Amino acid sequence: DAKTTQPTSMDCAEGRAANLPCNHSTISGNEYVYWYRQIHSQGPQYIIHGLKNNETNEMASLIITEDRKSSTLILPHATLRDTAVYYCIVRRYGGATNKLIFGTGTLLAVQP
Amino acid sequence: EPEVTQTPSHQVTQMGQEVILRCVPISNHLYFYWYRQILGQKVEFLVSFYNNEISEKSEIFDDQFSVERPDGSNFTLKIRSTKLEDSAMYFCASSEQGASSYEQYFGPGTRLTVT
Repeated sequence: DAKTTQPTSMDCAEGRAANLPCNHSTISGNEYVYWYRQIHSQGPQYIIHGLKNNETNEMASLIITEDRKSSTLILPHATLRDTAVYYCIVRRYGGATNKLIFGTGTLLAVQP
Repeated sequence: EPEVTQTPSHQVTQMGQEVILRCVPISNHLYFYWYRQILGQKVEFLVSFYNNEISEKSEIFDDQFSVERPDGSNFTLKIRSTKLEDSAMYFCASSEQGASSYEQYFGPGTRLTVT
């Protein structure tokens, strides 16, 4: 699976949009981009995933660049409860493995 | 909303003892997983399980570890003879299917402390 690069940490003001970048420059055409988050000491929580097109759900939006080499997770109105480590993970569609490989992620601190 | 549950939330055991960590996956899910996270480190994959068989395991998942689905609802991880370095949070996860287009849902974890 392709490797991802994320900033170690970011701050965001409560009520503002949080934009979390992820670089996956070696992504293949058959690999999905997944985002999970982990609130302190809890289990990872699925947020959103996409292949080529931008995606939106009740939690967030995922913007994938046209060349698919990077993506941005957008939390439109961040709250204090969104403080967590956010993981960008690339997974191959139909691959022999379905495990998730977690990196170190981005620690998002939402400030009051 | 359906969720993965895990028991106990915290388990303390002595080195060399056997422990069994329990998970109840989401009811219509077919694929089950165990991950662990040593304090301050990354979440690491241990094993995936489908159709009553291990479908993949990591090098961490050695002969001391085993998994079982003893009935239609529970999924267990057994550590035969615990070591100090087994101290970690253990997360169970499940997914509807195994393909990468299906998200995995995680439980709240069991904190295992080996003394």
